[in-house]
Amino acid sequence: QKEVEQDPGPLSVPEGAIVSLNCTYSNSAFQYFMWYRQYSRKGPELLMYTYSSGNKEDGRFTAQVDKSSKYISLFIRDSQPSDSATYLCAMRVSGSARQLTFGSGTQLTVLP
Amino acid sequence: GAVVSQHPSWVICKSGTSVKIECRSLDFQATTMFWYRQFPKQSLMLMATSNEGSKATYEQGVEKDKFLINHASLTLSTLTVTSAHPEDSSFYICSARQGPPFVNTEAFFGQGTRLTVV
Repeated sequence: QKEVEQDPGPLSVPEGAIVSLNCTYSNSAFQYFMWYRQYSRKGPELLMYTYSSGNKEDGRFTAQVDKSSKYISLFIRDSQPSDSATYLCAMRVSGSARQLTFGSGTQLTVLP
Repeated sequence: GAVVSQHPSWVICKSGTSVKIECRSLDFQATTMFWYRQFPKQSLMLMATSNEGSKATYEQGVEKDKFLINHASLTLSTLTVTSAHPEDSSFYICSARQGPPFVNTEAFFGQGTRLTVV
């Protein structure tokens, strides 16, 4: 079993839809949770960064972490065609040199 | 967010030659840098972790003599693919994280380098 599980999709939604992306994990020591957006042939871009449980909102994006269920989500409101990309969840334990553990990525297409 | 610059963005080389990829943190000092490899439609696979001034720590299955990593300064790390072969063709990505006291800030990624070995 992988440490981080993410539905690879692909996921297609119409413009304006609310998108829900999810990851589950097995390592209870994970404390920092991130969502990255990666366009084709580009490096990942950090979207959201949260510590421990709770919600965090930034514009159209909301990240949720439920440590009790070992489940994290990213919601995208009013989705746009420019949101079409692969979304990667990532997480790590505490410590400055700790590596990230990534999900496999979900490929999202927002249709105009 | 902080800026990490990776160069070149793409490179084509002949089989048997070596290729160097640079990763620079432009506006912060990166105590730790990570090198990843990514195959099409797959997630990032960590190759090695490097701390400035010390030897890199390689993940299991990654040949350290083939993938030479140097992290000589707080703003620059290099990955050299030695004696490249077609199976080394891939997308290579670096990321960098600030050092103390920013111990819990996040890593930022370079733009990636697409290597094609012919």
